[in-house]
Amino acid sequence: DIQMTQSPSTLSASVGDRVTITCRASQSISSWLAWYQQKPGKAPKLLIYKASSLEGGVPSRFSGSASGTEFTLTISSLQPDDFGSYYCLQYSTNPYIFGQGTKLEIK
Amino acid sequence: QVELVESGGNLVTPGGSLRLSCAASGFTFSDYYMTWIRQAPGKGLEWVSSISGNGNTIYYADSVKGRFTISRDNVKNSLYLQMNSLGAEDAAVYYCVRKLAAAGNYHFDYWGQGALVTVSS
Repeated sequence: DIQMTQSPSTLSASVGDRVTITCRASQSISSWLAWYQQKPGKAPKLLIYKASSLEGGVPSRFSGSASGTEFTLTISSLQPDDFGSYYCLQYSTNPYIFGQGTKLEIK
Repeated sequence: QVELVESGGNLVTPGGSLRLSCAASGFTFSDYYMTWIRQAPGKGLEWVSSISGNGNTIYYADSVKGRFTISRDNVKNSLYLQMNSLGAEDAAVYYCVRKLAAAGNYHFDYWGQGALVTVSS
């Protein structure tokens, strides 16, 4: 099975900061990676698919990039509504595997 | 608009069974893979099972293989998850999720609000 290593597990940042979350796959997954945001008590929401494609309606401050087996979610200027947990997902092959998650707190 | 509504979550004793349902609307249900994803309290997300649009292709996580059965009814636009031999490790919120499978897009896009399964004696 492909393993996904997500870091950091927690992150505290201020409004306006540039924030980066990383996922590393244990083997090639091409660009079959998505990023989700989850608020407490709510279902996850799709932000990015195919490593760098922005889902419709998602603010442009969110972006995704890839370099080999390393994938990055960047929030260019953190907003108060961006608190929550973030998960990457590899959907290259079954079983589909999520990263362990990053809890983002606003200072 | 796309809507996925889960039902059937409940408290069940260890070793018991439960059937979750998901009612889909706002899209052509039979055109899409559907998936169950779960999240234990305070934990991360875990993919459980996926089923193709016609029901002919099914995948399970190793953790549920042989105990859980995914199925669908394309006339009723409904997805199901039959869960048997439930243990404490199965306690979670179970999400019904649509999976794209065409035009180079294969990710999970729409999620239901979740159904809570509690396993306790």
